[in-house]
Amino acid sequence: KQEVTQIPAALSVPEGENLVLNCSFTDSAIYNLQWFRQDPGKGLTSLLLIQSSQREQTSGRLNASLDKSSGRSTLYIAASQPGDSATYLCAVLYNFNKFYFGSGTKLNVKP
Amino acid sequence: SAVISQKPSRDICQRGTSLTIQCQVDSQVTMMFWYRQQPGQSLTLIATANQGSEATYESGFVIDKFPISRPNLTFSTLTVSNMSPEDSSIYLCSVEVVRNTEAFFGQGTRLTVV
Repeated sequence: KQEVTQIPAALSVPEGENLVLNCSFTDSAIYNLQWFRQDPGKGLTSLLLIQSSQREQTSGRLNASLDKSSGRSTLYIAASQPGDSATYLCAVLYNFNKFYFGSGTKLNVKP
Repeated sequence: SAVISQKPSRDICQRGTSLTIQCQVDSQVTMMFWYRQQPGQSLTLIATANQGSEATYESGFVIDKFPISRPNLTFSTLTVSNMSPEDSSIYLCSVEVVRNTEAFFGQGTRLTVV
């Protein structure tokens, strides 16, 4: 059974800090892995997509890495800002177009 | 990319009634997906909706409770039938423009059943 785990469940940091969110998955036969941001009561905004053949992707202050063999991905946020406060979800795509979502990391960046 | 419009954005409904949620995409897509996110939980896939065929439901979800329509390649509806307070959740529509690549989500429908 495919499982996706995110650690930590919640994180509170002062503004300006660099931080790392972790995602682990049990089955390494993935098509891709996607990181999303979700603001309270809202839908999901795609942040970064890493294909199974890639090791990392970058967008602005965000960098996501993928290590299929160890079943891990990290989302690195540089110079965090209060506007980064949200829940960050990791989703792994396996066969038959089915995403498995982690339970998320709730990030609070304090001014 | 894809822009997804979901309606309504939120609703408060009486138990025993039904609510139909609409999902409109700005481009033609083969597969559309409906998810549920219960309070404080992550997303759970309800069903996959393909145009021209019956939706495929995940374990624990049945067509009588969550009937889905997919009349064309840009539109789908999800109905939550005979609602109870346990159905209070955010319901999200998702698409993949190209199979096995990036997924895009609507802004969700926040449903409260009283």
